[in-house]
Amino acid sequence: DGGITQSPKYLFRKEGQNVTLSCEQNLNHDAMYWYRQDPGQGLRLIYYSQIVNDFQKGDIAEGYSVSREKKESFPLTVTSAQKNPTAFYLCASGTALRTDTQYFGPGTRLTVL
Amino acid sequence: GDSVTQMEGPVTLSEEAFLTINCTYTATGYPSLFWYVQYPGEGLQLLLKATKADDKGSNKGFEATYRKETTSFHLEKGSVQVSDSAVYFCALVSNTGNQFYFGTGTSLTVIP
Repeated sequence: DGGITQSPKYLFRKEGQNVTLSCEQNLNHDAMYWYRQDPGQGLRLIYYSQIVNDFQKGDIAEGYSVSREKKESFPLTVTSAQKNPTAFYLCASGTALRTDTQYFGPGTRLTVL
Repeated sequence: GDSVTQMEGPVTLSEEAFLTINCTYTATGYPSLFWYVQYPGEGLQLLLKATKADDKGSNKGFEATYRKETTSFHLEKGSVQVSDSAVYFCALVSNTGNQFYFGTGTSLTVIP
């Protein structure tokens, strides 16, 4: 089955630690995206990548980093510089054509203790 | 810049009631418009889409019509079910296809 996987589903970390969230897709999509979701605020774009070895900052990139070494994978690192990292993180992929949808993974809920 | 505004919730309806969730947009050019649904603890799933003016997207009894004159894409369903309880997001993608813009989401609860 084609789709997007995110792991883990739940993640707990101590304050000050970096943590990496995994996102893998087998849909052969060129574009991949990371969103953060907080209650009442909808989805906010963190980073996106339209091609391997290239990525752009979204609206709230501060305190996050990404890499795109393979087409299938787009991991997100939440660094200790992120002031309020507790949130639900969603990865998505797509063709980047204006008529086409984005496909979302199941999400990772990160809680920083 | 491009943006989406959707009606705030939460919305609570009785089963078989009529549903409308309003969505208006601001965009340059000719965006594509989408409605997504999110069930608790899950990612977003595409519900329906429309890619040009006057197009009607439909799926699972839900409908939305792309109205360029009013810059709107309101979601409707004639008779909601308990299983429709979820958060609904309106979204647009710009001309270039590079970036999606999401509304803040509308939580719907349908009671038996």
